[in-house]
Amino acid sequence: QSVLTQPPSASGTPGQSVTISCSGSTSNIGINYVYWYQQLPGTAPKLLIYKNNQRPSGVPDRFSGSKSGTSASLAISGLRSEDEGDYYCAAWDDSVSGRFIFGTATKVTVL
Amino acid sequence: VQLVQSGAEVKKPGESLKISCQGSGYSFPSHWIGWVRQMPGKGLEWMGIIYPGNSDTKYSPSFQGQVTISADKSISTAYLQWSSLKASDTAIYYCARHGPAYGDYPNYWGQGTLVTVSS
Repeated sequence: QSVLTQPPSASGTPGQSVTISCSGSTSNIGINYVYWYQQLPGTAPKLLIYKNNQRPSGVPDRFSGSKSGTSASLAISGLRSEDEGDYYCAAWDDSVSGRFIFGTATKVTVL
Repeated sequence: VQLVQSGAEVKKPGESLKISCQGSGYSFPSHWIGWVRQMPGKGLEWMGIIYPGNSDTKYSPSFQGQVTISADKSISTAYLQWSSLKASDTAIYYCARHGPAYGDYPNYWGQGTLVTVSS
C-alpha cells in the first residue's frame, strides 16, 4: 500500500547524527505536508514532526525535518539509546480518493 | 487528550468483531478520528477516518468493504468492526485522532488493540 519509500535501517553511535530519507511523488509529498512518527518497541506511534519541520511541544530539538520537492528527511542529532526504534514518514496522497499514507519504516539502531 | 481502546481479542475465522476507542479531553464530535493497522512485524497502514459530528467516513481503497468504521458521539467512542474475520486480520489496531479539518494529520494515538484470529 505504501508509496513512500524509506531505507530499512539506519544506525549510529551515541552522540552521532543520523538522517532518514523519505521518497514520494507529486501526488503526496510534492503537494502535501510531511509528518514523521516514532514508534519505540512495544509502544504506539508518536508524532515527532508535523507540517514538514514543526516539532510538537515536548519533542527535543535534536529532531528536525525538511522537505524538498518529492522527498523529505528526518535528522536526529546527538543520538541517544532511547531513540532506538522505528521511524515512519507520512503524508496525504491525492492520487486515489484521498488517503493518508505511511512510509515503509526505518529502524534506527544505536550501536 | 486521551484515547482509550478496548482490550485484546481472540477470535475464530468467520466470527464478527467490534473494537472501540473512547476519546476524552477534547471535543470528540469535531475532530476526525481514524484507524491504523499494524500486522505482526510490519509497518503502519491507514485504514480510514470518521467525523463523529456527522458520521462522514472515508476509507482507504485497501480497506473499503473489508471493515466498517462508525462512531457514537454521545459517548465519545469510535468503532472498527468486521463481519467475518480472516486469519490475515491478525494485527494491532490503533485509533488516532486527526484534527478538526479533513486533511489534518493523526496527532494523538490510542494504546492499540491486539486482534488475534486463529482456528
